[in-house]
Amino acid sequence: AQSVTQLGSHVSVSEGALVLLRCNYSSSVPPYLFWYVQYPNQGLQLLLKYTSAATLVKGINGFEAEFKKSETSFHLTKPSAHMSDAAEYFCAVSGRDSSYKLIFGSGTRLLVRP
Amino acid sequence: DTGVSQDPRHKITKRGQNVTFRCDPISEHNRLYWYRQTLGQGPEFLTYFQNEAQLEKSRLLSDRFSAERPKGSFSTLEIQRTEQGDSAMYLCASSLAGLRYTFGSGTRLTVV
Repeated sequence: AQSVTQLGSHVSVSEGALVLLRCNYSSSVPPYLFWYVQYPNQGLQLLLKYTSAATLVKGINGFEAEFKKSETSFHLTKPSAHMSDAAEYFCAVSGRDSSYKLIFGSGTRLLVRP
Repeated sequence: DTGVSQDPRHKITKRGQNVTFRCDPISEHNRLYWYRQTLGQGPEFLTYFQNEAQLEKSRLLSDRFSAERPKGSFSTLEIQRTEQGDSAMYLCASSLAGLRYTFGSGTRLTVV
């Protein structure tokens, strides 16, 4: 069975500071891993995905994440936070079965202080 | 690409009533997924279709829930005899047989 744990339901940073959102996964097979962003009353938008190519994955809006198998982690980072980054972020895992269904973490709300 | 459309955006219903939601996927996408998201939680998988065939249903999908995708185009999700615990955001997503989903904006259901 697969699962995702996101450490910290809320993260607060100052504008211009480093953003670090943590995600650890559990999977019996090499997983596919994702980060999604959700703005209020909207659906989810894909930020980036890992599908077993490069372990450092670059996404949209300046975000990136590094797959670390030894730590079973896939943390999301951005060097400098913008006010527009304030949103809910979800880490997700998918197995390599044909369904491609996603298992999501419980989310981390990012607050950006001016 | 008009994206994934969901209708209605919001639905308030009385406990015990039936509700139906619609999802229109991106036209060339053959896969369609339904997820449910309760307040403060991540989305949970409910079911998915490949074309018109419903290939998997989560144990979360009780017998009060039914989903269809006639002719492999739009999909409907019906909840019969709604309960307060059904209050959630219902998200639809489509993909072209792969990992790149496009999510709709969701239907927020409130059962009073």
